[in-house]
Amino acid sequence: DIQMTQSPSSLSASVGDRVTITCQASQDITNSLNWYQQKPGKAPKLLIYDASNLETGVPSRFSGSGSGTDFTFTISSLQPEDIATYHCQQYDNLPHTFGQGTKLEIK
Amino acid sequence: QVQLVQSGAEVKKPGASVKVSCKASGYIFSHYRFSWVRQAPGQGLEWMGWISVYNGNTDYAQKLQGRVTMTTDTSTTTAYMELRSLKSDDTAVYYCARQRGSGVFDYWGQGTLLTVSS
Repeated sequence: DIQMTQSPSSLSASVGDRVTITCQASQDITNSLNWYQQKPGKAPKLLIYDASNLETGVPSRFSGSGSGTDFTFTISSLQPEDIATYHCQQYDNLPHTFGQGTKLEIK
Repeated sequence: QVQLVQSGAEVKKPGASVKVSCKASGYIFSHYRFSWVRQAPGQGLEWMGWISVYNGNTDYAQKLQGRVTMTTDTSTTTAYMELRSLKSDDTAVYYCARQRGSGVFDYWGQGTLLTVSS
């Protein structure tokens, strides 16, 4: 199975800050990587697909980049409603696997 | 608008079975696969498997092989996930997700909490 290592596991930032989360795959997954946002008690929501494509309706402050084994998710200017846990997920190989999640809090 | 509505919370004893439903609406049911994903309390997301609505093909996570069955009913646009021989570590929230392409989960159900306890 492909292991997805996400960091940091938790992060505290201020409103307006630029926030970056990384995800590293244990082998080359080309651009087969998605990012999801999950608020407490809610289902995950797709934000970025194929490493860098913004899902329809998602604010442009969210972005993704990377290919191969190293990927980055960025919030350009943190908003209070962005408080959530963020998950990366690879789909290059079965089984699909997720990172362990990054819990984002407001400082 | 696309909606996935799951069945309600379940409490089961070890060794029992559970069948979770996921009613889809707002799109052409047969054009997408479904994946099922679970999340144990305080843990990350775990993919369980997928099913093609078009031809019924499935692929299950190896650790669940033999205990899980995924099906769909096109007449009611509902997907189902049955898990048998339940253990306490099957306690989790179970999500259905519409799968776009090879593995993009673009819409999710609200989740079904399964508690396995004696």
